[in-house]
Amino acid sequence: QQQVKQSPQSLIVQKGGISIINCAYENTAFDYFPWYQQFPGKGPALLIAIRPDVSEKKEGRFTISFNKSAKQFSLHIMDSQPGDSATYFCAASLPSGTYKYIFGTGTRLKVLA
Amino acid sequence: DVKVTQSSRYLVKRTGEKVFLECVQDMDHENMFWYRQDPGLGLRLIYFSYDVKMKEKGDIPEGYSVSREKKERFSLILESASTNQTSMYLCASSLVGGSEAFFGQGTRLTVV
Repeated sequence: QQQVKQSPQSLIVQKGGISIINCAYENTAFDYFPWYQQFPGKGPALLIAIRPDVSEKKEGRFTISFNKSAKQFSLHIMDSQPGDSATYFCAASLPSGTYKYIFGTGTRLKVLA
Repeated sequence: DVKVTQSSRYLVKRTGEKVFLECVQDMDHENMFWYRQDPGLGLRLIYFSYDVKMKEKGDIPEGYSVSREKKERFSLILESASTNQTSMYLCASSLVGGSEAFFGQGTRLTVV
């Protein structure tokens, strides 16, 4: 019940296309859902995050869509660029104040020029 | 600029050796974490510390211990390294109540 399931494992998108990565969770007590972006040789860095009281959050070309009833959330990258090529992790945390994340398994995105 | 620094980018150790992975943060963060990253498994929490000398087990603490003697430094210890501990290790820190975790660049450990 503590798992966060992420798909697909890898994704290839043409430049200018839309990249979509999906995550699903079981524990309805999770109350914070971030996405982290990791470039090769670097640690993950926070990209965008959402709480379950909103259904969508947009920051530039990156949008999180959140479906509380389905217990799913997704990352949409509009107008994907080669510089977006990275590994993306979804995560969830409980309302403990400590933000110990449960991470998804990661999606390796490659955007073709 | 926030910074989490891991002492080594790459380490090669022999089976049975005691291994120390060091992490230092310069942001005066209370929380520090050690994660392990493996292909297809994502990031899994090994140990977490919310204050000096305080620690909690994460999801996969077996075979590991930690030390936090100073606020800025969090060490991961492999008491007797085994080949199944070959992995990428990531250190992170955050403020109390802060939602964003800041990660180091990782240490790729190979146990032979």
